[in-house]
Amino acid sequence: DAKTTQPTSMDCAEGRAANLPCNHSTISGNEYVYWYRQIHSQGPQYIIHGLKNNETNEMASLIITEDRKSSTLILPHATLRDTAVYYCIVRPLGGAQKLVFGQGTRLTINP
Amino acid sequence: SAVISQKPSRDICQRGTSLTIQCQVDSQVTMMFWYRQQPGQSLTLIATANQGSEATYESGFVIDKFPISRPNLTFSTLTVSNMSPEDSSIYLCSVIARGKNTEAFFGQGTRLTVV
Repeated sequence: DAKTTQPTSMDCAEGRAANLPCNHSTISGNEYVYWYRQIHSQGPQYIIHGLKNNETNEMASLIITEDRKSSTLILPHATLRDTAVYYCIVRPLGGAQKLVFGQGTRLTINP
Repeated sequence: SAVISQKPSRDICQRGTSLTIQCQVDSQVTMMFWYRQQPGQSLTLIATANQGSEATYESGFVIDKFPISRPNLTFSTLTVSNMSPEDSSIYLCSVIARGKNTEAFFGQGTRLTVV
């Protein structure tokens, strides 16, 4: 079973920051927080991951709370092409390495 | 990154028949996985394809229904056997590239419709 909870859907205006929350209150010490997104009719795409420090790359920023029980994915300047389902996943770096997907958040960027 | 090619991209099949889906990667990978995505749903892991040995299946999935092969480090097949309309889904191959175990890459999927 997925170990994360996300809102079913969210809307954001084009050009604004999109903030997608995720709860993972049962996360273990060796588990990372991963974010993927799935644009319609495509396979999922990796966005970012982190353990306990905030992370930033060319796509997004990841803010993890100090207790690691929740996180927020930030798309700083959302575009229409960011409309997708966003999945928050917790996963150990080693071991089986499989990804267990929850239901995700359907993010719609409006013009 | 790893480039994944899945074939066929889509198919319409008669119930009771079987379909084999191929997944070819452009580089050697450590892990290969098969997922199913039913209409309007999230992805569900079917199994981990192990090179040179039997696949590891998740709860609810069995080898007789979804036989998997992985003869080498860049290729795997998933067969959907004795199909019924309930098997209509998108089937996706995923890999973890050698030396890049922080992220998984996904193919574009095979859209299967069983009539």
